[in-house]
Amino acid sequence: SAVISQKPSRDICQRGTSLTIQCQVDSQVTMMFWYRQQPGQSLTLIATANQGSEATYESGFVIDKFPISRPNLTFSTLTVSNMSPEDSSIYLCSVEQDSGANVLTFGAGSRLTVL
Amino acid sequence: GDSVTQMEGPVTLSEEAFLTINCTYTATGYPSLFWYVQYPGEGLQLLLKATKADDKGSNKGFEATYRKETTSFHLEKGSVQVSDSAVYFCALAGGTSYGKLTFGQGTILTVHP
Repeated sequence: SAVISQKPSRDICQRGTSLTIQCQVDSQVTMMFWYRQQPGQSLTLIATANQGSEATYESGFVIDKFPISRPNLTFSTLTVSNMSPEDSSIYLCSVEQDSGANVLTFGAGSRLTVL
Repeated sequence: GDSVTQMEGPVTLSEEAFLTINCTYTATGYPSLFWYVQYPGEGLQLLLKATKADDKGSNKGFEATYRKETTSFHLEKGSVQVSDSAVYFCALAGGTSYGKLTFGQGTILTVHP
């Protein structure tokens, strides 16, 4: 299965700033997915990132707050904009492990703490 | 909408004890069901899956059976090891979804020697 590297692994941020999380995959994939895990909560899909087109956002998530780039088939970034303490979460990048099987491989996550 | 309800933790067991982590779901259609595991400092890994009713997923001594009549997918292991200490997530993929998994809140398992 694909190997996913995420950076940063963790960061402490100030309110009102923005942070970009990078996701690198060791093989070409069509779709990449960004999830959020808030403290004590389950994982929630933020958006799906396709190469060459706009990301598709889930209900409750908007592009202005979570802009996503997908410049090629192995890389994506998620930016968390104008952060508030409520954005303190683990953000995870994932790709489909087996085409069409809905089996996802996840990165180790980026743990953000907003003060 | 789809939802997954998972047994609340944390769960603490002694080595070689029997493990059950309960998972029930609500979904339209015929979802696929998964158990993911997250070891300390690592990303989520697929532990096992089942794609239709009465399927049994198994891996590393863990098993779970897709029970449509009770909408359940309980995780079991006959004899846990210290190395099984991790967070376990139950998840489903609805029939019309793609890459969108609905997760339970996770259960922290700690196994003591």
